Amino acid sequence: AQSVAQPEDQVNVAEGNPLTVKCTYSVSGNPYLFWYVQYPNRGLQFLLKYITGDNLVKGSYGFEAEFNKSQTSFHLKKPSALVSDSALYFCAVRDLTGANNLFFGTGTRLTVIP
Amino acid sequence: DAGVTQSPTHLIKTRGQQVTLRCSPISGHKSVSWYQQVLGQGPQFIFQYYEKEERGRGNFPDRFSARQFPNYSSELNVNALLLGDSALYLCASSREGSAHNEQFFGPGTRLTVL
Repeated sequence: AQSVAQPEDQVNVAEGNPLTVKCTYSVSGNPYLFWYVQYPNRGLQFLLKYITGDNLVKGSYGFEAEFNKSQTSFHLKKPSALVSDSALYFCAVRDLTGANNLFFGTGTRLTVIP
Repeated sequence: DAGVTQSPTHLIKTRGQQVTLRCSPISGHKSVSWYQQVLGQGPQFIFQYYEKEERGRGNFPDRFSARQFPNYSSELNVNALLLGDSALYLCASSREGSAHNEQFFGPGTRLTVL
């Protein structure tokens, strides 16, 4: 079965500091991994994906994620946080055994402090 | 280009009633998926449709049903509503049902069951 875990419900970071939002995965086979962001009263916005290739994936709004197969992790990172990055972040893995739907983590609320 | 659109934005129903939620995918996208997001949790997969056929179904009771129309829009129906059906219902579209394609989400329909 495919699943992802986001070990931190809440992450606080000062504006201008680097940020990391953690995600670990459990899959049988090669993982297809995604990060989405959700702003209040909004749907989910796609940030980036890892399918294959370079372990460092660059995405929207200056975000990037590092795929680490040995640690089964796919952490989201940004070198310098903005107050506008404050939102709910979801890691997801694709179900390759059925409908190609996404399995989401429980989400991490990021707060960037001015 | 317009993104994924959903209607209505908000809906209040009472237990036992039936509800229909609507989704229009991004132009050119043939696959539509439905997710349920309960407050404080990540989205849970309900259905996926591709080319008007059901491609997959999540772990939801038969009270939940859906369909996709020739123009690729979709409806989600929920019968005999329960209090626990209160959630944000998200529709996502992708160009096709391939695992490589990211899903683009609409703003959601907030359903409240009283």
